[in-house]
Amino acid sequence: RKEVEQDPGPFNVPEGATVAFNCTYSNSASQSFFWYRQDCRKEPKLLMSVYSSGNEDGRFTAQLNRASQYISLLIRDSKLSDSATYLCVVNRKDRDDKIIFGKGTRLHILP
Amino acid sequence: EAQVTQNPRYLITVTGKKLTVTCSQNMNHEYMSWYRQDPGLGLRQIYYSMNVEVTDKGDVPEGYKVSRKEKRNFPLILESPSPNQTSLYFCASSLVGSGWYGYTFGSGTRLTVV
Repeated sequence: RKEVEQDPGPFNVPEGATVAFNCTYSNSASQSFFWYRQDCRKEPKLLMSVYSSGNEDGRFTAQLNRASQYISLLIRDSKLSDSATYLCVVNRKDRDDKIIFGKGTRLHILP
Repeated sequence: EAQVTQNPRYLITVTGKKLTVTCSQNMNHEYMSWYRQDPGLGLRQIYYSMNVEVTDKGDVPEGYKVSRKEKRNFPLILESPSPNQTSLYFCASSLVGSGWYGYTFGSGTRLTVV
């Protein structure tokens, strides 16, 4: 089982809809969680950190469920410009301190 | 502007010809890392460095070398490139404290080895 798993998609969603995707992690020693956005052939960019209490930034909401070991990203009122690949990133601290990327979920917002 | 600068952005080279991809950051970050990204495989870590003169292997270090002589620079060296090293490469840096605060990535280097 991969340590960080994401549904690769693509998710094809009409503009204005709400879309949500999850990322599961297998190691309970995981401590920090992030969502990154990556446009085609460009560098990943930090979208938001994910806190235990959940956090919101405009149309984006991130949540962490430690009991079930997943994080989620919700995008409300989706825009064409939200089309990208969303990467889940986990910082695990046990025998070593490791940063693990999921392979990403592709999102296409349709006009 | 806080940034990670990689050069070159694009490079086509021949098998066996040594090359260096440079990476520099102006944020005084301790942690720097190199990744390669291939279709279907995601981002894979090549090498990382916790601070000056401290480097460690990532998940796919074979065929690569790095050095960290100064805090701001972390070059990636391919002594004898092979076609299976054709990939999109990213350098990244981060602050390290009580936790990890997230990466800032360079713009990427698209390398083709023929």
